[in-house]
Amino acid sequence: DQQVKQNSPSLSVQEGRISILNCDYTNSMFDYFLWYKKYPAEGPTFLISISSIKDKNEDGRFTVFLNKSAKHLSLHIVPSQPGDSAVYFCAASAISTGANSKLTFGKGITLSVRP
Amino acid sequence: GAGVSQSPSNKVTEKGKDVELRCDPISGHTALYWYRQSLGQGLEFLIYFQGNSAPDKSGLPSDRFSAERTGGSVSTLTIQRTQQEDSAVYLCASSGTNYGYTFGSGTRLTVV
Repeated sequence: DQQVKQNSPSLSVQEGRISILNCDYTNSMFDYFLWYKKYPAEGPTFLISISSIKDKNEDGRFTVFLNKSAKHLSLHIVPSQPGDSAVYFCAASAISTGANSKLTFGKGITLSVRP
Repeated sequence: GAGVSQSPSNKVTEKGKDVELRCDPISGHTALYWYRQSLGQGLEFLIYFQGNSAPDKSGLPSDRFSAERTGGSVSTLTIQRTQQEDSAVYLCASSGTNYGYTFGSGTRLTVV
């Protein structure tokens, strides 16, 4: 049973446009959400996170939106750049169960930004 | 070190052999995690060490898999009698006082 779902395996956007990456979760205990970015032959790197007490967190070109009632979050990248082409993983944690609790990851979405 | 170090970066082994994968976490990080990514799949949780607590082994797929963390630092993931379905990228991560992980580059295991 997948608790974190990234239903679209891939997304292609034009450079300069907005990229919207979606993620759904089923476990209502999740209260902290993260996005990781992964290039080939490298480990995932942390991108941005959001706590369940917020509905939006912004960091430069990256914004994460959280809709708790829908158990849905999305990552917006504006403007998209060719260097953003990578696999993006959505992850969730129930930190109320304790700090450093394990993350549950989605399957990832491959973003391609066309020049 | 500055980051999480994993070795070897690549490992090809024959079916039925045992393999050991090593992870050197960031110094001072109390939490250490092992995940694996099989082809076309997401990151699958394997095991989690937190300080001196008993590890959370709930993600280990079979009793052929085991892991230890010596002295609260270096960890070794051991797969006995490897099978072809064990082929994957094995990722180690460590975490300090914040809630994000720092991942290593992974070990790509191929069982032939």
